[in-house]
Amino acid sequence: EIVMTQSPATLSVSPGERVTLSCRASQGVNSNFAWYQQNPGQAPRLLIYGASTRATGIPARFRGSGSGTEFTLTISSLQSEDFAVYYCQQYNNWPRTFGQGTKVEIK
Amino acid sequence: EVQLLESGGGLVQPGGSLRLSCAASGFTFSSDAMSWVRQAPGKGLEWVSTITDDGGNANYADSVKGRFTISRDNSKNTLYLQVSSLIAEDTAVYYCAKDTDMLTGSMDVWGQGTTVTVSS
Repeated sequence: EIVMTQSPATLSVSPGERVTLSCRASQGVNSNFAWYQQNPGQAPRLLIYGASTRATGIPARFRGSGSGTEFTLTISSLQSEDFAVYYCQQYNNWPRTFGQGTKVEIK
Repeated sequence: EVQLLESGGGLVQPGGSLRLSCAASGFTFSSDAMSWVRQAPGKGLEWVSTITDDGGNANYADSVKGRFTISRDNSKNTLYLQVSSLIAEDTAVYYCAKDTDMLTGSMDVWGQGTTVTVSS
């Protein structure tokens, strides 16, 4: 099983700041990688797939990068609706696996 | 509007069973692989199972293999998850989700979830 490790566990930031979230895979997953956002009490929302392709309707301030084992999600200017938990996921191998999540909270 | 609507959750005793359903609308259900993902209270996301578009192949997490069965009825645009031999650790919100496309295992449409609580 591929283990996905996200860092940091929590980020405290102010609105308008730039944020960088990281995810590391225990073995290479090529670009078979996605990022999701989850607000409290809601279902996850796909942000990025293929490591760097924004899903339909996702604002350009969300940018995904990386391949192999190291991946990054950058939010260029944090908006109020972006305070949420973010999960990474690999789909290169079965079982599909998620990271443990990074919570982005208001500073 | 693309939509997934889960149902069938509830309170069940350890060792019991349930059948979860997910009704799909707004897209060509028979063209997409479908998945179940769960989230225990206060925890992260855990992939449970995925079934191919034609229902011919399925994969399961080790934690549910042999106890859960995924299936689909393309004539009814409905995905199912039969959950059996339930244990406390199966308590979670169960989401159904649609794969982004045939070549991509990300999930671009999610339902609102149905809650399964395993307790005596």
